[in-house]
Amino acid sequence: GQSLEQPSEVTAVEGAIVQINCTYQTSGFYGLSWYQQHDGGAPTFLSYNALDGLEETGRFSSFLSRSDSYGYLLLQELQMKDSASYFCAATDSWGKLQFGAGTQVVVTP
Amino acid sequence: NAGVTQTPKFRVLKTGQSMTLQCAQDMNHNSMYWYRQDPGMGLRLIYYSASEGTTDKGEVPNGYNVSRLKKQNFLLGLESAAPSQTSVYFCAISESTARAGANVLTFGAGSRLTVL
Repeated sequence: GQSLEQPSEVTAVEGAIVQINCTYQTSGFYGLSWYQQHDGGAPTFLSYNALDGLEETGRFSSFLSRSDSYGYLLLQELQMKDSASYFCAATDSWGKLQFGAGTQVVVTP
Repeated sequence: NAGVTQTPKFRVLKTGQSMTLQCAQDMNHNSMYWYRQDPGMGLRLIYYSASEGTTDKGEVPNGYNVSRLKKQNFLLGLESAAPSQTSVYFCAISESTARAGANVLTFGAGSRLTVL
């Protein structure tokens, strides 16, 4: 099985940069994904890392270090619409995902 | 949530009642999943199906059963509902690819179930 840890909440002002860390303990780890979920909505896919290093998608970037069992999601130029919960999820060799408990990001004016 | 439809969106049950949550997809994806989401606990996998006619247990299968008789439908059953099954249930789909790790889930809008 796998377990993932991430902070429960992060607060930042508009325009700031936020980093959400995720550490994992796994068996059969294959890659790390990130999902965003707004209140009352469904999770939506943001990014995926299978290899060490940084993946950039617009204002969002995701990083993975397999040797440290660690990854992070970087949110840049924060906007009010970025207020949401963010989940890291570890994929195993069968393609199944196990999610962390989620980090609520609160963006203030 | 185009492509994944869950019914019902809301339901209130009494302890001991049974019900079925339905998930339908129109994206022709092979894999389908049922997750439950509770405050502070993220999403936990109940059951999944890698293809039509096959199902496997996830992290929290007790108290549930599933059926995947057709590729486009994945049903989640509660035989005897308990208050601990009060939760938001999400169905998800993914297209199995040769790169097993690149498994992007598309979620339905969710079904909010309350068991009294």
